Amino acid sequence: GAVVSQHPSWVICKSGTSVKIECRSLDFQATTMFWYRQFPKQSLMLMATSNEGSKATYEQGVEKDKFLINHASLTLSTLTVTSAHPEDSSFYICSAGLAGGSGELFFGEGSRLTVL
Amino acid sequence: DAKTTQPNSMESNEEEPVHLPCNHSTISGTDYIHWYRQLPSQGPEYVIHGLTSNVNNRMASLAIAEDRKSSTLILHRATLRDAAVYYCILRDSNNAGNMLTFGGGTRLMVKP
Repeated sequence: GAVVSQHPSWVICKSGTSVKIECRSLDFQATTMFWYRQFPKQSLMLMATSNEGSKATYEQGVEKDKFLINHASLTLSTLTVTSAHPEDSSFYICSAGLAGGSGELFFGEGSRLTVL
Repeated sequence: DAKTTQPNSMESNEEEPVHLPCNHSTISGTDYIHWYRQLPSQGPEYVIHGLTSNVNNRMASLAIAEDRKSSTLILHRATLRDAAVYYCILRDSNNAGNMLTFGGGTRLMVKP
């Protein structure tokens, strides 16, 4: 079946530094990928929609200058958390799916970010 | 997307069947009913989906009420590895996007 892979699976960084998380669709092309954030004991919250070859679409309340998204190819989207602070510590998850609104979506393994 | 309502948590004994309910009274005719589950410290994984008829796959069964205002995910024999948060989500088939809007889900605990 289709697979979505994220890297790194976990990262620890100092406050003020930037961190890049990669999301790859391994055996299918994804013109659209989605980035979610999940805080402990909470559900997944959609952050942004990553569109191949164009600008990402951000959900209300998500700072586009802080969470930079690049979708340069049909199999790779990256999320960069710029000038990370402890409140950005979270579990970041990407997803992608085949075309059509009825099919299943595939999720990455998640990337746990801890900002010290 | 129409909203779904699920119990916050449920408990089950190992090797017994589990019925996870979901209410979606405002479902529209083009909404598919999707179930995903999230194991601890992992991304969600697809379980099953359906439109009107009951569905079976290797993981679970999905029973959809005749009026489609509710559905039940059935795990036929719960194992410890089935302990997860189960999300019931409606997806409009007319929506060209593939995003999912997650609610609170049901945390399933399986006792040995």
